[in-house]
Amino acid sequence: KQEVTQIPAALSVPEGENLVLNCSFTDSAIYNLQWFRQDPGKGLTSLLLIQSSQREQTSGRLNASLDKSSGRSTLYIAASQPGDSATYLCAVRISGGGADGLTFGKGTHLIIQP
Amino acid sequence: EPEVTQTPSHQVTQMGQEVILRCVPISNHLYFYWYRQILGQKVEFLVSFYNNEISEKSEIFDDQFSVERPDGSNFTLKIRSTKLEDSAMYFCASSSPGSHQPQHFGDGTRLSIL
Repeated sequence: KQEVTQIPAALSVPEGENLVLNCSFTDSAIYNLQWFRQDPGKGLTSLLLIQSSQREQTSGRLNASLDKSSGRSTLYIAASQPGDSATYLCAVRISGGGADGLTFGKGTHLIIQP
Repeated sequence: EPEVTQTPSHQVTQMGQEVILRCVPISNHLYFYWYRQILGQKVEFLVSFYNNEISEKSEIFDDQFSVERPDGSNFTLKIRSTKLEDSAMYFCASSSPGSHQPQHFGDGTRLSIL
């Protein structure tokens, strides 16, 4: 059974720092990996999706990498801002069937101090 | 930008009662999902739906749960006889056809069972 783990569980850093959030998964046979942001009491906002054949994806100040063989992904946030404060979730999709469910990690709760 | 909408935002129900959670997926999406998040725990996949039938379901999605697409826009989750442990945030998601399409989530319905 696929298990997704995110480290650290919580992180607090001053504004302006670059930071890395980690995600690991036990079964490397994934189809893709998606990073989400969750604000308190809100839904999940999709940030980046990396296909299993890709090594990284970038969107603005966010860069996600994928090392499928070692079962790891990282989310790099450059020049962090207080508005980046949220919980960041990593989720994997196991196969290419159209309606597959995602398996989530528990998330990293990020606080950016002004 | 199109979004997934869910109603109600908060539902309080007595144990043993039936509850229906409603979702309007993004209009050109064909795949629909329900997830739940018990307070402090991971987001968990419940069920996926495509072409008017269940595509995949988890072990959580037992006989007390059912899903329906009653018309061209709504997607519902029914819990037949609610239990205290059904208290959670329930998220609806949808995705468009094609490989590697991200799932887009609604803001969720907080279900409280008394």
